[in-house]
Amino acid sequence: DVKVTQSSRYLVKRTGEKVFLECVQDMDHENMFWYRQDPGLGLRLIYFSYDVKMKEKGDIPEGYSVSREKKERFSLILESASTNQTSMYLCASMAASYEQYFGPGTRLTVT
Amino acid sequence: AQRVTQPEKLLSVFKGAPVELKCNYSYSGSPELFWYVQYSRQRLQLLLRHISRESIKGFTADLNKGETSFHLKKPFAQEEDSAMYYCALIPSNTGKLIFGQGTTLQVKP
Repeated sequence: DVKVTQSSRYLVKRTGEKVFLECVQDMDHENMFWYRQDPGLGLRLIYFSYDVKMKEKGDIPEGYSVSREKKERFSLILESASTNQTSMYLCASMAASYEQYFGPGTRLTVT
Repeated sequence: AQRVTQPEKLLSVFKGAPVELKCNYSYSGSPELFWYVQYSRQRLQLLLRHISRESIKGFTADLNKGETSFHLKKPFAQEEDSAMYYCALIPSNTGKLIFGQGTTLQVKP
């Protein structure tokens, strides 16, 4: 069974803080993704990575950065959190079949 | 532009009624299309993909290239089908999923 885990289920941070969201997968997948999920907007791609140290911007990368030092770990970084980054964040990894496997999500609240 | 549109935010039906969740896409090439489902308090997971032509939990979806649609159907809805459903598209060879806005299906007893 593919396992994608995220470091926190719930996070509360203050405006201006640096925030790290971690994602780990155990299936040796090369491709990993970060999305944010907002009601009425669906899932929007923030960043993705197709190999270690490789990354590409998604549709809404502003205010975010990522790090992929090891194949199994993909981190999302909010350099200076803002209230409009309050959201559910989903990590996913993708098999060769193009099926994506999702983590349980991190609900981030920025106050 | 590549886009997936799910016109209904909420679809409410009674148990045993037929269900059709609409999905339209905009893509000039040959798309690969998926339906993902998120049950309450569970993670998002793949329900079905057009290429496999399977029926999962009684759901089917047919790709209609002429109408650029990939509607999800089930003849008799069950209460356990209540969930959020997302239609998604992968443009050829990119690996990037493009999601629709999602439709909440509510099946009433």
